[in-house]
Amino acid sequence: DQQVKQNSPSLSVQEGRISILNCDYTNSMFDYFLWYKKYPAEGPTFLISISSIKDKNEDGRFTVFLNKSAKHLSLHIVPSQPGDSAVYFCAAKLGREYGNKLVFGAGTILRVKS
Amino acid sequence: EAEVAQSPRYKITEKSQAVAFWCDPISGHATLYWYRQILGQGPELLVQFQDESVVDDSQLPKDRFSAERLKGVDSTLKIQPAELGDSAMYLCASSPGVAVYNEQFFGPGTRLTVL
Repeated sequence: DQQVKQNSPSLSVQEGRISILNCDYTNSMFDYFLWYKKYPAEGPTFLISISSIKDKNEDGRFTVFLNKSAKHLSLHIVPSQPGDSAVYFCAAKLGREYGNKLVFGAGTILRVKS
Repeated sequence: EAEVAQSPRYKITEKSQAVAFWCDPISGHATLYWYRQILGQGPELLVQFQDESVVDDSQLPKDRFSAERLKGVDSTLKIQPAELGDSAMYLCASSPGVAVYNEQFFGPGTRLTVL
């Protein structure tokens, strides 16, 4: 039972253009959503998050949008840079009563071509 | 900058052998997590500690896996005996443990290959 799904295994984008990574979830109990970025041979690093009561959060080139009614979130990277090439994981967090547990999607490989 | 340390980075072992992984979280972080990431999948939580106590080990295969965090600081994850299906990346993460703090900080992981 996959509670968090990233349906696109990979995405290729030209440098300078927008990258859009998508994530769907099924559990209404999630209270925060996070995006992590992972380079080869390294652990995931936190990128940006959004509370379930918000619909947008922006940090520099990165913006996360949440559509709670559709149980869908997306990460926008504008403009995309070659250094953004990595695996991006969507993660959803359960509340404190569930130990702040994170549930991860399978990841999307982003390739930014120069 | 403070980081989560893990060792070894790579481990190759034969089926039925015992293996152990070590994790040192960021200083002061009360919560420690062990994840398993199988190739092509996202990290899956194996066990979560709050200080030295286990908070969640519902996904830990307890017949062969064990984890401890005796003094509430560093932690060890053990597999005995290892099976072919245990080949994966084992990630350790930590967080301050404050209720409203959502981010987890990950170490570089240990890549386990079971032959």
